[in-house]
Amino acid sequence: EPEVTQTPSHQVTQMGQEVILRCVPISNHLYFYWYRQILGQKVEFLVSFYNNEISEKSEIFDDQFSVERPDGSNFTLKIRSTKLEDSAMYFCASREFLAGGPNEQFFGPGTRLTVL
Amino acid sequence: DAKTTQPPSMDCAEGRAANLPCNHSTISGNEYVYWYRQIHSQGPQYIIHGLKNNETNEMASLIITEDRKSSTLILPHATLRDTAVYYCIGTDMRFGAGTRLTVKP
Repeated sequence: EPEVTQTPSHQVTQMGQEVILRCVPISNHLYFYWYRQILGQKVEFLVSFYNNEISEKSEIFDDQFSVERPDGSNFTLKIRSTKLEDSAMYFCASREFLAGGPNEQFFGPGTRLTVL
Repeated sequence: DAKTTQPPSMDCAEGRAANLPCNHSTISGNEYVYWYRQIHSQGPQYIIHGLKNNETNEMASLIITEDRKSSTLILPHATLRDTAVYYCIGTDMRFGAGTRLTVKP
């Protein structure tokens, strides 16, 4: 069964460093998402991406964040200068495009980012 | 977009049916209701979705009231591995706090 994959599973970085989190969505999916979950808190939407551009972003997704689909398979989240409060699990998700139809997203296993 | 309300926690005995309620009184006519669950810190796992009719798949059943203002996720024979946080969400795919289901031996 196809699944969303994410690498690395755990990333440790120093405050102020740049990190890139990688995701490989399900191959026929056209919408891509990033969410984060701070330990003990709810899953928070960051950004959605369709047709090579951001379709929606939350207030969390500020100028320190960027997303990219550098090739036909990868979808990346970059944090330019990490802060302690960026420590969280980051989940990638993808879905098909079904106009007027159900839009269930499928999530990857997550990347645990620890900022020291 | 529908705002959903769920009880914060529920217990269920192993082997019994777990019935998880969700209120979504602001749901619009063409908006699906989705159920996900999250085990520990794993990625949310899709369970089932519905629009108007009741739905069943290999994981669960979804009962949607006729007015579509609420729904119930049913795990027919809960196992210890079903212990998780269960989320009922609308088309905007925004997660709330969900219901923490604990299945007890």
